[in-house]
Amino acid sequence: NAGVMQNPRHLVRRRGQEARLRCSPMKGHSHVYWYRQLPEEGLKFMVYLQKENIIDESGMPKERFSAEFPKEGPSILRIQQVVRGDSAAYFCASSSGQGVANTEAFFGQGTRLTVV
Amino acid sequence: GQQVMQIPQYQHVQEGEDFTTYCNSSTTLSNIQWYKQRPGGHPVFLIQLVKSGEVKKQKRLTFQFGEAKKNSSLHITATQTTDVGTYFCAGDGGYQKVTFGIGTKLQVIP
Repeated sequence: NAGVMQNPRHLVRRRGQEARLRCSPMKGHSHVYWYRQLPEEGLKFMVYLQKENIIDESGMPKERFSAEFPKEGPSILRIQQVVRGDSAAYFCASSSGQGVANTEAFFGQGTRLTVV
Repeated sequence: GQQVMQIPQYQHVQEGEDFTTYCNSSTTLSNIQWYKQRPGGHPVFLIQLVKSGEVKKQKRLTFQFGEAKKNSSLHITATQTTDVGTYFCAGDGGYQKVTFGIGTKLQVIP
């Protein structure tokens, strides 16, 4: 059973370009979370999705950022017109979400975005 | 919304000393989880506590969930250099959305 797969592992974009980060959850997991981590800082919640639904996007910047988790395929975090301040590690996590005692999250290895 | 506070943010200890990090939630939690992130790595699940007052041990690590299910602690006995990393607590407020604390970064001086 493959773990949470994120790609690419490293992504370099010029200011103004678009960044697309992909996350395939663990098999059988229907809950996906995206987090941003700046160097030497904690995990900042961005968005929580279930299949085809955004459950909570309270941590997402209102502009340039969007996320989806389609019925088929990976979850995508999309950042349009990137700026230097978007440089960070973006982690995706998934959980089965089945019952209150089964919400432990399994993390991917992250995508390290560098905006030059 | 739900907030999870964690202290201290940084801790340096001499190898062999004990270490404790504390986590407090603004709301009652359904469960609390602990994760460890090694430098340059990704967070890895350590344990989940569900019951009020629950205590669980993993070798030198002791995890505790408060009676009111609003706070938790992780205690490491006799730290080793392999314990270096950032320890995060994460609370589930009952809606299956997990909120992470800011983490405690542990440095162990050999």
